[in-house]
Amino acid sequence: DGGITQSPKYLFRKEGQNVTLSCEQNLNHDAMYWYRQDPGQGLRLIYYSQIVNDFQKGDIAEGYSVSREKKESFPLTVTSAQKNPTAFYLCASSIFSGTNTGELFFGEGSRLTVL
Amino acid sequence: QKEVEQNSGPLSVPEGAIASLNCTYSDRGSQSFFWYRQYSGKSPELIMFIYSNGDKEDGRFTAQLNKASQYVSLLIRDSQPSDSATYLCAVNLMDTGRRALTFGSGTRLQVQP
Repeated sequence: DGGITQSPKYLFRKEGQNVTLSCEQNLNHDAMYWYRQDPGQGLRLIYYSQIVNDFQKGDIAEGYSVSREKKESFPLTVTSAQKNPTAFYLCASSIFSGTNTGELFFGEGSRLTVL
Repeated sequence: QKEVEQNSGPLSVPEGAIASLNCTYSDRGSQSFFWYRQYSGKSPELIMFIYSNGDKEDGRFTAQLNKASQYVSLLIRDSQPSDSATYLCAVNLMDTGRRALTFGSGTRLQVQP
């Protein structure tokens, strides 16, 4: 089945630790995205990538890093510099054509809690 | 002004009624508009998208777009308790330079049996 797989679903981090969230897609989509969602809030863009080996910062990139070495994979690292990382993290992908972003397909999300 | 704005609700409607969810956006040049439904603790799922002015219907759902007023809405006819969720409006804003969807904060809908 085609889709987006995020892992882990739940993750606990101690202060000062870096953690990496995995996102893999087999939809053959060019573009991939990371969003953060806090309780009662909408989705805020962290990073996105339109092609392999290229990515752009979103609205809240500070304290996060990404890589896009393969079309299928877009891992997100939450670094110790991110002061309030407890949130629900959503990875998405889309067909990208020119200037328009198409429908986003979401993974099931990863819930990160800082202890 | 927020780039994509929604009333947070909750919007409470009785079962069988029409639920009307609204969204305004800041960029007049925006081209594509999406409505997602999100159940508590789950990821968003696409309900509808609309690109052109006017109405687009899909089953019990109708999306309405008015680009001159920078307004997009979602109507849910014959609302069911299973429609109770948060509805997120997402817009492809052209003036931000981002090639990604910008989301509103969502409207929580409660359908009362």
